This record gives sequence, structure tokens and C-alpha cells, in this order.
Amino acid sequence: NAGVTQTPKFQVLKTGQSMTLQCAQDMNHNSMYWYRQDPGMGLRLIYYSASEGTTDKGEVPNGYNVSRLNKREFSLRLESAAPSQTSVYFCASRPILRVNTEAFFGQGTRLTVV
Amino acid sequence: QKEVEQNSGPLSVPEGAIASLNCTYSDRGSQSFFWYRQYSGKSPELIMSIYSNGDKEDGRFTAQLNKASQYVSLLIRDSQPSDSATYLCAFYNTNAGKSTFGDGTTLTVKP
Repeated sequence: NAGVTQTPKFQVLKTGQSMTLQCAQDMNHNSMYWYRQDPGMGLRLIYYSASEGTTDKGEVPNGYNVSRLNKREFSLRLESAAPSQTSVYFCASRPILRVNTEAFFGQGTRLTVV
Repeated sequence: QKEVEQNSGPLSVPEGAIASLNCTYSDRGSQSFFWYRQYSGKSPELIMSIYSNGDKEDGRFTAQLNKASQYVSLLIRDSQPSDSATYLCAFYNTNAGKSTFGDGTTLTVKP
């Protein structure tokens, strides 16, 4: 049981380049999330998908787009990378919109924009 | 005002002592609350969850929730060096379908 899988684990981009971070979960979870974590900071929500077919902006959506491809997959795209987007990105999933459910996290993608 | 405020760190306690971590939140629609532990370079892992007012104990960990005061805390008894990590509090608004995290408190337990 892989849980939440993120690819790639590490990436270096030049300013202005684009890339897509992939996330897949095999737990049949309804909700999926993308967070970024800057050094010494907590997790800030970029976008989330409460259920298949829906996506919503979080706290810091500017510069990002997302696609909920199907129930398993939720991708995050940087159209024109900027140094301010250097961060660790975490994908997470949660079973359903119910009170007593925890979020499960992927291992993270460490992105550096130079 | 930030949606989640955690007590500023870093927090240092001697081995065997009680570590106290605190968190306040502003979203009255929050229905569940979580404490995650994050080791350096790793992803967060769930330590405790709490949904009702009062205390919830699990081994050396006790979570306390006071919805009227919009306050949640985590006590770690008999702290061990392996407890040294960053602790993140998070709340979950079921209606909105999203979780919000605090900035974390870094705990160091000294042998």
C-alpha cells in the first residue's frame, strides 16, 4: 500500500520554466490538497479538491494551477516558475468530508527555482 | 489575524519533563483539530486528533480542546530526545473541506 505518492522528489528549475508536480493516492480518498512549506514555517494551503471534479483556491494560489485528473490524481502546475516558489511541496489526501478523518501526506517535493 | 496561532518557539525542555504546546484558532466553523509531528526533512505525521471539548489522552500525549476559547493544546509527558521535532497544529472545517495549519513550534528535548 503506497499511500500518497509524489513525483518528483527533487527538482531544480530556472526562472520562467514550467513544470507539473504529480500526486497520486491509492486509498480511495475523496479530498486532496497541495501545501507548500517554506523554511521554519507551517504548511500553507495552495489549492484543494474536496471531491473529484471540484477544485478551490487555498491561502496562496497565485502562480499555480491544479487539475483533479480523476479520484486518484491531483496535479499542481507552475506555469512560469519564480524564485519565490522555492519551497517544499506536500500533497495530502483525506477520506471524506467527515469530522474524524486525518490527512495523509506524501513524502514531499523539494523545488528550487534559480 | 492569522487563522491559526501557535506559541512561539523554539521550546526546550529537559528529558523527563512535560512539554506544553499551545494553539489558538479563529475559524468558529472548525470541527476537528489535529496535532502533527514533523521531523526535519520529513512529512508531517499525525500525533493526536480531538473533536470534543475536554481532554484526550494517548500514552504520553494529552490533547486539550476548548471550543469556547478557541484553544487547543498538546502536553507531552516524560519527554524524550526522540520527541525533538516541530509540532504543527491544524484544524479542519468540514463544510469548507479544508485544513489550515499553524506555523509550528520546534521542540528540543535535552538529555
